[in-house]
Amino acid sequence: EPEVTQTPSHQVTQMGQEVILRCVPISNHLYFYWYRQILGQKVEFLVSFYNNEISEKSEIFDDQFSVERPDGSNFTLKIRSTKLEDSAMYFCASRYAGGPNEQFFGPGTRLTVL
Amino acid sequence: ELKVEQNPLFLSMQEGKNYTIYCNYSTTSDRLYWYRQDPGKSLESLFVLLSNGAVKQEGRLMASLDTKARLSTLHITAAVHDLSATYFCAEVAGGTSYGKLTFGQGTILTVHP
Repeated sequence: EPEVTQTPSHQVTQMGQEVILRCVPISNHLYFYWYRQILGQKVEFLVSFYNNEISEKSEIFDDQFSVERPDGSNFTLKIRSTKLEDSAMYFCASRYAGGPNEQFFGPGTRLTVL
Repeated sequence: ELKVEQNPLFLSMQEGKNYTIYCNYSTTSDRLYWYRQDPGKSLESLFVLLSNGAVKQEGRLMASLDTKARLSTLHITAAVHDLSATYFCAEVAGGTSYGKLTFGQGTILTVHP
C-alpha cells in the first residue's frame, strides 16, 4: 500500500542552524501539507502546496520557513534559522485532487533544537 | 478563526465498557475527520464524514456527524486495550480552502483491564 515517507526520523540541531525536512508524498497525490505537533499538544497546520506553489499558510509559517518540491517526488520544509520553540514533530501529508480531502500522514520527523 | 473542541481530553475506561468522545466545531463545514495517534507515531485516518447524518463504523468504533449541531461523536463499544491511543477530530474549512485541517486538542484514551 502506498504511503508517505519522511526523512530523517529525528533531527537534532543547534539554535540558529538551518534544517531541511524531507517528505516523499504518495505518487499520484497533488496536494501536499506540513503540520507540526509540539509535544503533548494538538496538531497544527503550517502550509499547503498545490500546483508548485503555496496555496495557504498559517501564522506559524513565517519568513523563516519555506517549502519546495525540487523534483517530481520530494517535498521539503526548510527552517532557515531554528529557534528553541521550533522543537516539535513535523508531519507531512498528501491527498488526491478532489475527493473527500482524506489526508495521509507520514511518520513524522522529530526536530530537537538545542 | 476555526475552533474544534473535544471532550473529554482524558478518558480512562475499563475493558468492556462503552463511552463517547465529543467533537464540537465552529463553522458550517460538512466534512469532519477522525484520526488515531499511538504514542510517538503518526496519525492514522479512521473516519471521513462528509454529510449531515453520516454514520460510519469500523469494529468497536462508530463515528457520526450532525452538521446542524456542529457536533461529531466517536462512540466506543466494549472497549479493549488495543484501543488505547489519542483520538483527534479535525475539520476542514469550506470555500476556497485547499484542505487545511484544523484539529481538536485530542482525547487520550486509556483502556484498563
